[in-house]
Amino acid sequence: KAGVTQTPRYLIKTRGQQVTLSCSPISGHRSVSWYQQTPGQGLQFLFEYFSETQRNKGNFPGRFSGRQFSNSRSEMNVSTLELGDSALYLCASYGQPQGTEGYGYTFGSGTRLTVV
Amino acid sequence: AQSVTQLDSHVSVSEGTPVLLRCNYSSSYSPSLFWYVQHPNKGLQLLLKYTSAATLVKGINGFEAEFKKSETSFHLTKPSAHMSDAAEYFCVVSDRRGGSYIPTFGRGTSLIVHP
Repeated sequence: KAGVTQTPRYLIKTRGQQVTLSCSPISGHRSVSWYQQTPGQGLQFLFEYFSETQRNKGNFPGRFSGRQFSNSRSEMNVSTLELGDSALYLCASYGQPQGTEGYGYTFGSGTRLTVV
Repeated sequence: AQSVTQLDSHVSVSEGTPVLLRCNYSSSYSPSLFWYVQHPNKGLQLLLKYTSAATLVKGINGFEAEFKKSETSFHLTKPSAHMSDAAEYFCVVSDRRGGSYIPTFGRGTSLIVHP
């Protein structure tokens, strides 16, 4: 079955602009979470959505927001972009066990955002 | 609160020799622990996970990890490194919060494999 799809793969934006990233989870997965990966801070949790509701939120400013649609697809928005927002943004969907016991996260390949 | 420490930022091995990537964790609860691998410009791929069953966990591509509660460790090993194993490896501890499991990532260990 198809994996987690993130679009676009690469994006270049200017400071002060806003950006919207998209994530389509594995079919049947209802939870989508977002992460920011930078060389300085590593991988950090942004937020998680389940059935169109934000269920958990990391320690990021309000410029970072998201939403989830009824088909479980999720979007992440960053407003008033700063140079420090340059990062790889990963999303993961969460669902039934994938071949081993317990639950599992499946990650997309990410969106590389560069702010200039 | 949970945290995870990967003890080495870089590990360098020769092809065919054993691999050891070290991870220590801290968790208030019985943790779920994972190892993920990330190849350049790719997302994270799950290697293996521990969720309170057998303490020795076998994963994909010949990797395995042993959960040692007394040492709060979850080290990743492989008997014989292959060139294709060169990548970034992340140890992850997961805590249940708000009905879901929120992962905390280690800073990563870069595995370098020499021919």
